[in-house]
Amino acid sequence: EVHLVESGGGLVQPGGSLRLSCAASGFTFSSYWMSWVRQAPGKGLEWVAIIKQDGSDKYYVDSVKGRFTISRDNAKNSLYLQMNSLRAEDTAVYYCAREGYSGYDPFDNWGQGTLVTVSS
Amino acid sequence: QPVLTQPPSASASLGASVTLTCTLSSGHSNHKVDWYQQRPGKGPRFVMRVGTGGIVGSKGDGIPDRFSVLGSGLNRYLTIKNIQEEDESDYHCGADHGSGSNFVSVFGGGTKLTVL
Repeated sequence: EVHLVESGGGLVQPGGSLRLSCAASGFTFSSYWMSWVRQAPGKGLEWVAIIKQDGSDKYYVDSVKGRFTISRDNAKNSLYLQMNSLRAEDTAVYYCAREGYSGYDPFDNWGQGTLVTVSS
Repeated sequence: QPVLTQPPSASASLGASVTLTCTLSSGHSNHKVDWYQQRPGKGPRFVMRVGTGGIVGSKGDGIPDRFSVLGSGLNRYLTIKNIQEEDESDYHCGADHGSGSNFVSVFGGGTKLTVL
C-alpha cells in the first residue's frame, strides 16, 4: 500500500525558512515524478512544484520561483521542499503527491498534509 | 495554460444523482482533466481522469461504480449516482499543461457537494 507522510510544517515568521519532508513507502519511489500541492485555509488546491524521477527536471508555479526548491533522495525514499523568504500568502497545508511515470499522469496518491503558517 | 472553472457548490438528496462540471478555458478542448475527492479534514483522493472520449485509464483505488465521467467540448463532467453520505466532499478538477521547456499543473476552485 502506498504511503506518503509529510512533516516539517509549523509556524514561521515572514521572511523565514522551512524545509518540508515527505517519506514515501509501498512503491518504487525512484520510478515516479513527485509533486508538492498546497491548499490555503478554506481555499482550493494549488500546485507548487514537480520533480522528475532522477531530479534532473524541476518545475515551479510562478509565485514560488526563486524562493522554493524541490528535491528528492531516492536512496531514502524522500521528497523535500525547501521554502525560503516565506510570505503570509504561503500559509497553507502542503501535500506531497505521487504523479506518475511521465509527469503528465494524475496525482494518484496523496499524503495527509502538513500545515505551514507564516505569521509574525 | 488552461483555466479550470467549477461552480462553488452543489447539493443532492441521499440516493439521488448529481453531475459536477469542470469547464476548460477556450482553446483547450483537447485537455484531459483529473477529478479528485477531498473529504473534510483529509487529503485529496484521485477519482478518475476524463477526456472528450470519456474515462482515460483506470479509476482511483476504491472508487465505486456509482462514479462516472463524460467529456464534451470544454466541459468535463463527474456524475455520482445513488449518492451516499460519504460522498459529501469537496471535488476538485485538475489538468497538466506543458509547453516547450515549461510545465504547469492547474486546479479549478473546487465544488463543495452537500448531501441533503
